[in-house]
Amino acid sequence: DAGITQSPRHKVTETGTPVTLRCHQTENHRYMYWYRQDPGHGLRLIHYSYGVKDTDKGEVSDGYSVSRSKTEDFLLTLESATSSQTSVYFCAISESTGFTGELFFGEGSRLTVL
Amino acid sequence: RKEVEQDPGPFNVPEGATVAFNCTYSNSASQSFFWYRQDCRKEPKLLMSVYSSGNEDGRFTAQLNRASQYISLLIRDSKLSDSATYLCVVNIGSNDYKLSFGAGTTVTVRA
Repeated sequence: DAGITQSPRHKVTETGTPVTLRCHQTENHRYMYWYRQDPGHGLRLIHYSYGVKDTDKGEVSDGYSVSRSKTEDFLLTLESATSSQTSVYFCAISESTGFTGELFFGEGSRLTVL
Repeated sequence: RKEVEQDPGPFNVPEGATVAFNCTYSNSASQSFFWYRQDCRKEPKLLMSVYSSGNEDGRFTAQLNRASQYISLLIRDSKLSDSATYLCVVNIGSNDYKLSFGAGTTVTVRA
């Protein structure tokens, strides 16, 4: 299995508090992604990164920010969490050379915002 | 309109049966197509890519119909272990590294 770890795996927080989810990879892959998965919507891309300090928005980026200061780490921050951000968050990586369509996912982080 | 749409199912089939389902996509510029598998409360994993001429991987057959903008997945001789949600995945226009996921089709294989 690809070396991807997400932390925390589970978090319960209150509306208005900041939350940071961390994705750490040991594969040295160039591309990293944050998705959220909600019933009926499938996975939706929040932000992605195509290199250190190179990031761009996905389809549901409002309320989220990201940072990538090192190849191996991609952080997702909710500046002020809302109940609509209750979801399962998946980090994914893809290979540096070429694009095969294979994303390797972390095990997910389940976030509940009360 | 969603970029990728799937029949959510569930498809309940007995062991040994054949099950097939489709996925439609809206962007005619999409070039890359995939099926991912997701077990309950687990992360998605690539099942197979879908090539223009169609392709097989063991009991799984994938087809692409560009004219009608859909892809299909057929599972022959279903096993209990095939029970999962199957996600249709399509690249977003010309940016290959950005993928759009369908909401998934749930398949349950019963003994």
